[in-house]
Amino acid sequence: AQSVTQLGSHVSVSEGALVLLRCNYSSSVPPYLFWYVQYPNQGLQLLLKYTTGATLVKGINGFEAEFKKSETSFHLTKPSAHMSDAAEYFCAVSDLNNNDMRFGAGTRLTVKP
Amino acid sequence: DGGITQSPKYLFRKEGQNVTLSCEQNLNHDAMYWYRQDPGQGLRLIYYSQIVNDFQKGDIAEGYSVSREKKESFPLTVTSAQKNPTAFYLCASSILAGGRYNEQFFGPGTRLTVL
Repeated sequence: AQSVTQLGSHVSVSEGALVLLRCNYSSSVPPYLFWYVQYPNQGLQLLLKYTTGATLVKGINGFEAEFKKSETSFHLTKPSAHMSDAAEYFCAVSDLNNNDMRFGAGTRLTVKP
Repeated sequence: DGGITQSPKYLFRKEGQNVTLSCEQNLNHDAMYWYRQDPGQGLRLIYYSQIVNDFQKGDIAEGYSVSREKKESFPLTVTSAQKNPTAFYLCASSILAGGRYNEQFFGPGTRLTVL
């Protein structure tokens, strides 16, 4: 069965600094990979997704992620953090065999002024 | 305006009571899901349904029940058998395309507190 590991339950960066949130997955078949963002007491919003094709995917709010099959990773980056990026971020994987989605435990991003 | 609605946003329950959380979608999505979210544990799947009148247990189905009588509705009942029901509950839906489910769209959530 597929699974997701997010390294670091809490990441803190200064405003304007690089944001890097790490995600590694396991899947026996080509995965679909997703990053979601959640603000307090709200549902999850899709940031970006990888299904097939180009391995570098761009999402909303200036985020992007790169699918690296050899490293089984799908890390999320943003060149310059903004205060409004403070939220919880979830990586998720689905695969063809199961047709369900597995979420990581989440990474809480704090942005310091 | 298409989307997923959940109601109520906040719900308080006394011990021993059953409560039902509503989830409605007008996206014409085939599949619907219920997740439970606890701090530091991410999302855990309770139940999901890929077609009307059919549903499957997820990882933590004990103490919960669902129905799928209409494509757009997937209510979740938290029964008195659920020992620790205080949590944030999220409903989601997704569409079947090319034989595979793509991203899930989420509702705003219901926060359930047992008094």
